[in-house]
Amino acid sequence: DAGITQSPRHKVTETGTPVTLRCHQTENHRYMYWYRQDPGHGLRLIHYSYGVKDTDKGEVSDGYSVSRSKTEDFLLTLESATSSQTSVYFCAISETPGRGSYNEQFFGPGTRLTVL
Amino acid sequence: GENVEQHPSTLSVQEGDSAVIKCTYSDSASNYFPWYKQELGKRPQLIIDIRSNVGEKKDQRIAVTLNKTAKHFSLHITETQPEDSAVYFCAASSGNAGNMLTFGGGTRLMVKP
Repeated sequence: DAGITQSPRHKVTETGTPVTLRCHQTENHRYMYWYRQDPGHGLRLIHYSYGVKDTDKGEVSDGYSVSRSKTEDFLLTLESATSSQTSVYFCAISETPGRGSYNEQFFGPGTRLTVL
Repeated sequence: GENVEQHPSTLSVQEGDSAVIKCTYSDSASNYFPWYKQELGKRPQLIIDIRSNVGEKKDQRIAVTLNKTAKHFSLHITETQPEDSAVYFCAASSGNAGNMLTFGGGTRLMVKP
């Protein structure tokens, strides 16, 4: 597995509380992504980053914000968690296009978040 | 944006039989089509991918075919084994600035011994 870790791996929180999930990579890859996985929906992109301080929205970005202050860390924040954000969250990384395995995304181990 | 549909959502086969999973995509600019396997409680892992300049790619018991005209691609697994049981996801990418993938909804494959 590529050097990707996620923390925490499991979290239970209450509606209305802020939550931050962390993705850390040791591969020095340029691109980082946050997905959520729900039954029947596959993996849906929340936000992605194409460099330090460079981020953009994905398909399901409402209610989420991200930050990337260092190449190796990509944070996902739920400002005020809701029950609809109960899900499994995966971080992924990808190398710069044109170098190595173009486009291939490597996934982290996932974070299971439950919002009560 | 891109839309990827995947069928069937569940597939049950006997060990040794073949399994086929099909996906369609909407964006004619898509040029990269990976397949991921996800075992229960694990992360998705790439098993095979194909780019738009080829129509078929094989890797041992796994093959992927691509029909750009019809905008569909398929995963073929031959001589299935119980360890092939997992959820399989197809995806498509147009090689856009974000290197983004759009995933299908997944297929749960069950291989009965």
